Amino acid sequence: GAGVSQSPSNKVTEKGKDVELRCDPISGHTALYWYRQSLGQGLEFLIYFQGNSAPDKSGLPSDRFSAERTGGSVSTLTIQRTQQEDSAVYLCASSLVGTPSGANVLTFGAGSRLTVL
Amino acid sequence: GENVEQHPSTLSVQEGDSAVIKCTYSDSASNYFPWYKQELGKRPQLIIDIRSNVGEKKDQRIAVTLNKTAKHFSLHITETQPEDSAVYFCAARTNTGNQFYFGTGTSLTVIP
Repeated sequence: GAGVSQSPSNKVTEKGKDVELRCDPISGHTALYWYRQSLGQGLEFLIYFQGNSAPDKSGLPSDRFSAERTGGSVSTLTIQRTQQEDSAVYLCASSLVGTPSGANVLTFGAGSRLTVL
Repeated sequence: GENVEQHPSTLSVQEGDSAVIKCTYSDSASNYFPWYKQELGKRPQLIIDIRSNVGEKKDQRIAVTLNKTAKHFSLHITETQPEDSAVYFCAARTNTGNQFYFGTGTSLTVIP
């Protein structure tokens, strides 16, 4: 597509429920990233997918968080047994990976705002 | 891994004045340094970037400088306007992977 698409744009859930957030990257972008941004805070790295390589999961805050990327395109971030501290905007970004010195512009989606009551 | 520090965390300037935001990085293998602007409630958007083989890059009122020896890079905004008010993030990417490391952000307010 023309940009990075995320859904839902807003999600309100009750504590303890599971949620799934979806990201559809720019067509042809092999790298996909998830970040979390709490109110007024910076960008917290969660997970990074690159082609068929094993994902870098080093930023996932707990085992309640998981993500997958099927077919090298769409990604789903799943949060199980949500807690109030999970409330944040979840941003997805993608980039085209070329040579190390090539163009690797990171393009963000509009985010999914999660509110856990 | 890479560590990016950004200062100041907040910055207020009078309209028409210049604003400077500074970032340092730790990994000498980092070779790409983008700057993002995030307006309230919006997604971060790339405003300018610089690669390690360049010392300075300018685009109208914004410029970025890079000092590889000192491992720091800066964003300069001249003739600031109220619409420049936003949060600005710096980032560094290493050439050993494609991971981006972000600074903690600078909230810029331009006072009319």
